[in-house]
Amino acid sequence: NAGVTQTPKFRILKIGQSMTLQCTQDMNHNYMYWYRQDPGMGLKLIYYSVGAGITDKGEVPNGYNVSRSTTEDFPLRLELAAPSQTSVYFCASRPPTGLAGGRGTGELFFGEGSRLTVL
Amino acid sequence: QKEVEQDPGPLSVPEGAIVSLNCTYSNSAFQYFMWYRQYSRKGPELLMYTYSSGNKEDGRFTAQVDKSSKYISLFIRDSQPSDSATYLCAMRGNSGGSNYKLTFGKGTLLTVNP
Repeated sequence: NAGVTQTPKFRILKIGQSMTLQCTQDMNHNYMYWYRQDPGMGLKLIYYSVGAGITDKGEVPNGYNVSRSTTEDFPLRLELAAPSQTSVYFCASRPPTGLAGGRGTGELFFGEGSRLTVL
Repeated sequence: QKEVEQDPGPLSVPEGAIVSLNCTYSNSAFQYFMWYRQYSRKGPELLMYTYSSGNKEDGRFTAQVDKSSKYISLFIRDSQPSDSATYLCAMRGNSGGSNYKLTFGKGTLLTVNP
């Protein structure tokens, strides 16, 4: 059982380049999220989606874009990469509230992360 | 005031010690409280979850929520080197936009020394 799969695991970008972080889940979860994690700063929400075709901004959306054309996939696009976007990016998914997901209600299932360095 | 405050540590304890990890929060709409464990270079995974106030026990782990004080705790008994990880508290509301999004603390880095 794959769960949430992120690619690539590591990437080095030059300033001004663009790239897409891929995220796919095979649990048929409606909700999907993108977080970034910087040392000592916890998880900051970039964008989230409550279903195919519906996305919304989180706390730190500037410099990023997302799309959700299918239930399974939620790619994160970085346009004009900047050093401030050096971070570890995590994709997560969860079932709708009220449906048991693992051991709790509204549990987030995370991918392994994508480490991005912008030089 | 940040919505969720968590002491980032680091916290270093000997094997067998009782560990106490804590978070405070300011949003009274939060109803669901969770603790995630994150090993180095891995994604977070759910460790404990509690709805509203009260205690919940799972093996060596106990989660406590005191909504009147806006304070949550995670206790680890008989700590093991395998418990060495970053522990993140997280919480969310029960309706509207707050239902969709978890708010995380910064995480506490715990090291249990053999």
